[in-house]
Amino acid sequence: DTGVSQNPRHKITKRGQNVTFRCDPISEHNRLYWYRQTLGQGPEFLTYFQNEAQLEKSRLLSDRFSAERPKGSFSTLEIQRTEQGDSAMYLCAPGTGKAEAFFGQGTRLTVV
Amino acid sequence: GENVEQHPSTLSVQEGDSAVIKCTYSDSASNYFPWYKQELGKGPQLIIDIRSNVGEKKDQRIAVTLNKTAKHFSLHITETQPEDSAVYFCAASWASGTYKYIFGTGTRLKVLA
Repeated sequence: DTGVSQNPRHKITKRGQNVTFRCDPISEHNRLYWYRQTLGQGPEFLTYFQNEAQLEKSRLLSDRFSAERPKGSFSTLEIQRTEQGDSAMYLCAPGTGKAEAFFGQGTRLTVV
Repeated sequence: GENVEQHPSTLSVQEGDSAVIKCTYSDSASNYFPWYKQELGKGPQLIIDIRSNVGEKKDQRIAVTLNKTAKHFSLHITETQPEDSAVYFCAASWASGTYKYIFGTGTRLKVLA
């Protein structure tokens, strides 16, 4: 049990469609991160929330990507007009006031 | 920007032998270094971490060492078992700001029975 639920686990979509992923931490975490992991690579930072405030976004997060954390608990990541290059595992990682982050099982996106 | 290099990319060891994975970071401001184990189809699992104010940390068969001067840190797994087979990632982070992680490229460890 990683303490975080991500849904869906897998998503296949056609190029140009919009997709939304959800991350639900089981307990309260003031910090929440989104990472993207492509095959054979380490996770790459996408964005960071402190409670409901989005405090940092990576250059990887183009204007097609948007993330929210409306009540400081669950978070969503939306990709508009998906491209084949968006195919990856999207990982959510809640964090405490310390440095540790615990990753969810991820959502694997395949854009065909 | 921060960069983390990880070696080797693959590592095969006989069951019972030790495995060592090494990482080098570029930003001297980094002060937190976690290690993650990732099995196929799963998210990364935190297995051990070390902060810059200590040089070594041990948890049963797993240990991590940190050399701040040289800016490198290593994961040591002793008495390896087949269930240790997975991809291992190192990461570097710094306390001021977001605690975002910069990951290495991973090491695929195979423990041969």
